[in-house]
Amino acid sequence: RKEVEQDPGPFNVPEGATVAFNCTYSNSASQSFFWYRQDCRKEPKLLMSVYSSGNEDGRFTAQLNRASQYISLLIRDSKLSDSATYLCVVNTPYSGAGSYQLTFGKGTKLSVIP
Amino acid sequence: SQTIHQWPATLVQPVGSPLSLECTVEGTSNPNLYWYRQAAGRGLQLLFYSVGIGQISSEVPQNLSASRPQDRQFILSSKKLLLSDSGFYLCAWSQRQGVGQPQHFGDGTRLSIL
Repeated sequence: RKEVEQDPGPFNVPEGATVAFNCTYSNSASQSFFWYRQDCRKEPKLLMSVYSSGNEDGRFTAQLNRASQYISLLIRDSKLSDSATYLCVVNTPYSGAGSYQLTFGKGTKLSVIP
Repeated sequence: SQTIHQWPATLVQPVGSPLSLECTVEGTSNPNLYWYRQAAGRGLQLLFYSVGIGQISSEVPQNLSASRPQDRQFILSSKKLLLSDSGFYLCAWSQRQGVGQPQHFGDGTRLSIL
């Protein structure tokens, strides 16, 4: 099982739609979770952290289900500018020495259509 | 505020030539530093990370090497480039303290090997 799995998409949605992305991770010891956004031919940028209680930032809502090892990102009222690839990122234990590394999913591509 | 600078933005090199990509971070001390590669249409692959000057960990066997001569400087090198070294190279930093800090990326270097 891959460490971090995402549906690659693409998700093609009309402006104003609500879209949800899902992500699963394999290591139950993971402790921190993030969503990044990557525009075409650009670097990934941190979109938001994901907390156990769920968190919201404007039109974006992130949720975490530790029991199912599942993370989600919901985008409401999609804008054209939301078109990008969304990367699910999980910190996983590394080398058994108490250190952690971030593991990136391959991303889900979103295209918002006028 | 912290900033990360990476250069050059694009690079075209012949097979067998050497490589040197540089990354510097400003506005923070003792950061963790990372080099990633992203091949076309694929996810981020961690190449090297460093927790301090002269401390380099390699994630995958390859003909690349990394060095950290100063606290906020991270260099990716190769003596002889291969065609398979083409890709998008990204430098990133994170705070050292705390588990699973998010990483922040430079603008990236797009490397084409001819």
